[in-house]
Amino acid sequence: DIQMTQSPSSLSASVGDRVTIACRASQVISNFLAWYQQKPGKLPTLLIYGTSTLQSGVPSRFSGSGSGTDFTLTISSLQPEDVATYYCQIYSSALRTFAFGPGTKVDVK
Amino acid sequence: QVQLVQSGAELKRPGASLKVSCEASGYTFTEYFLHWVRQAPGQGLEWMGWIDPNTGDTKYAQKFQGRVTMTRDTSINAVYLGLTTLTSDDTAVFYCARDCGRYCASASDYWGQGTLVTVSS
Repeated sequence: DIQMTQSPSSLSASVGDRVTIACRASQVISNFLAWYQQKPGKLPTLLIYGTSTLQSGVPSRFSGSGSGTDFTLTISSLQPEDVATYYCQIYSSALRTFAFGPGTKVDVK
Repeated sequence: QVQLVQSGAELKRPGASLKVSCEASGYTFTEYFLHWVRQAPGQGLEWMGWIDPNTGDTKYAQKFQGRVTMTRDTSINAVYLGLTTLTSDDTAVFYCARDCGRYCASASDYWGQGTLVTVSS
């Protein structure tokens, strides 16, 4: 199975700050990289798919980029409602398997 | 509207087996794969596997091979997660999630409400 890492594991930033979360895969994958947001006590929700496409209804302050093994989620201006844990997820079409990263917990100072 | 409705919380003894259901509505059941995802208390999301409701084809994460079974019943638009030889490490919320396939690069766009499984003697 493919292994995923995320960094940092947690961060605390001020409202309005630019926040970047990194996700790395153990092997090269295609653009089947997604990001999910999970607020405390809630279901995960899809933010971004195909590395950089925003899911309908997701605020434009969220963006995704990357290729190969390295991917990034950026929140351009952190808002109080963005407090959550963020997970990356890959799909390997070769192995037909998926994997989640360990998550990054985002807090507002 | 798309809905995934899961069966209720369960308390299991160590060594027992588990079967969780996920009933889909609001879309054509056989057109979208379904995943099962586990989340232990205070922990992250863990992918367990997927099932193709059209063919019954499955793929399981290596970690669960030999202990997990995913099945479907197309007559009632339901998928099932079976897990054997439960231990306290299996205490978790189990989610089913729809794979939106080519519409969103195989991400999961809808999630069931989750089923809490507690394994305790």
